[in-house]
Amino acid sequence: DVKVTQSSRYLVKRTGEKVFLECVQDMDHENMFWYRQDPGLGLRLIYFSYDVKMKEKGDIPEGYSVSREKKERFSLILESASTNQTSMYLCASRSSYEQYFGPGTRLTVT
Amino acid sequence: DAKTTQPPSMDCAEGRAANLPCNHSTISGNEYVYWYRQIHSQGPQYIIHGLKNNETNEMASLIITEDRKSSTLILPHATLRDTAVYYCIVRVAVLGGTSYGKLTFGQGTILTVHP
Repeated sequence: DVKVTQSSRYLVKRTGEKVFLECVQDMDHENMFWYRQDPGLGLRLIYFSYDVKMKEKGDIPEGYSVSREKKERFSLILESASTNQTSMYLCASRSSYEQYFGPGTRLTVT
Repeated sequence: DAKTTQPPSMDCAEGRAANLPCNHSTISGNEYVYWYRQIHSQGPQYIIHGLKNNETNEMASLIITEDRKSSTLILPHATLRDTAVYYCIVRVAVLGGTSYGKLTFGQGTILTVHP
């Protein structure tokens, strides 16, 4: 089975802190994604990567950056966390037809 | 991607079949029907997808009408652990390379399986 793991299930950070969210997949997929999910707004794409060191902005990239140094690892970085970045963050990895999601990280910025 | 319409909520008795409908009247010829579900506080989980033929896997069956304007996801023997939000998505099949195929979920159907 495909496995996508995320470094933390719950995270609490202070405003202005730099935050790293890590995602690892074990199926050698080229494509990986970072989404955030908020009540009433559904799933929104932040960034995706289609290969090592390759990245593209999604629909809401402002305030975020990403890093993909190795194929299996895709990191989301909040350069200076703000309260409006409190959300559920979901990483996904894609095969030909399906996206496999990690368990999610619920980030609270206070 | 074509828009889908799902009922906001449904109930099902444990052990019975759960039939979740989805309308997608504007579906295009090259668009697939996908189903995902999301159990509370977990990441979404892929269930099944199909183009025009009915599909079955170990989790569920997908019945697509002949005109492809609607479909039904069937969980043949629902359990309490099937309580989740179920999302029906219609989209072009994901291709390789930079055709990254982001997912867009609507509001979905909250399925509650009760004892």
